[in-house]
Amino acid sequence: DTEVTQTPKHLVMGMTNKKSLKCEQHMGHRAMYWYKQKAKKPPELMFVYSYEKLSINESVPSRFSPECPNSSLLNLHLHALQPEDSALYLCASSLGVQETQYFGPGTRLLVL
Amino acid sequence: AQSVSQHNHHVILSEAASLELGCNYSYGGTVNLFWYVQYPGQHLQLLLKYFSGDPLVKGIKGFEAEFIKSKFSFNLRKPSVQWSDTAEYFCAVNPKGSGTYKYIFGTGTRLKVLA
Repeated sequence: DTEVTQTPKHLVMGMTNKKSLKCEQHMGHRAMYWYKQKAKKPPELMFVYSYEKLSINESVPSRFSPECPNSSLLNLHLHALQPEDSALYLCASSLGVQETQYFGPGTRLLVL
Repeated sequence: AQSVSQHNHHVILSEAASLELGCNYSYGGTVNLFWYVQYPGQHLQLLLKYFSGDPLVKGIKGFEAEFIKSKFSFNLRKPSVQWSDTAEYFCAVNPKGSGTYKYIFGTGTRLKVLA
């Protein structure tokens, strides 16, 4: 199994909703990442988990809350988002420090 | 601050033309280097990577890239492009030795190949 899966593929939510994005990998990778990608822009790093512990938070607003329940699973909890948060949210994983990152297909989020 | 520059934002080529996309980075230490491709409506896929050794690396789908340390460059090449190469191409740099997982992505080059 050499892929990163993400659910849902698409999500529409209002500004008062609470939703979660899910990411899963079964490659034995110990680092997992959340990125945000706006149209025609490169991915921007949001969070990094290493061995299930948060190691990097790129000054992301608290309305985004990551969670890593185990080494295969990464969640991103969303609450009180703004329309400007609409984007493609990408999950990635890598074996360890400075190894190749493998990306999932992303969740396309629209905040109304 | 560390940065990655992709000077060609949009490239239009005819099929069978040769391709070279530029990537330059600003970081004084050693780096891992990557090229990713994002086909329309699809996710980022690794094309090729350089960690060490032979500076000329070959990737999937006939792509190759050359690391020139003195120029801080990692340009992507393909001798003959196909219509199916239409996509966005991202260069990424990961500084070594810092213990950081962070990739620094370039702004991307949008390639359109005309049939």
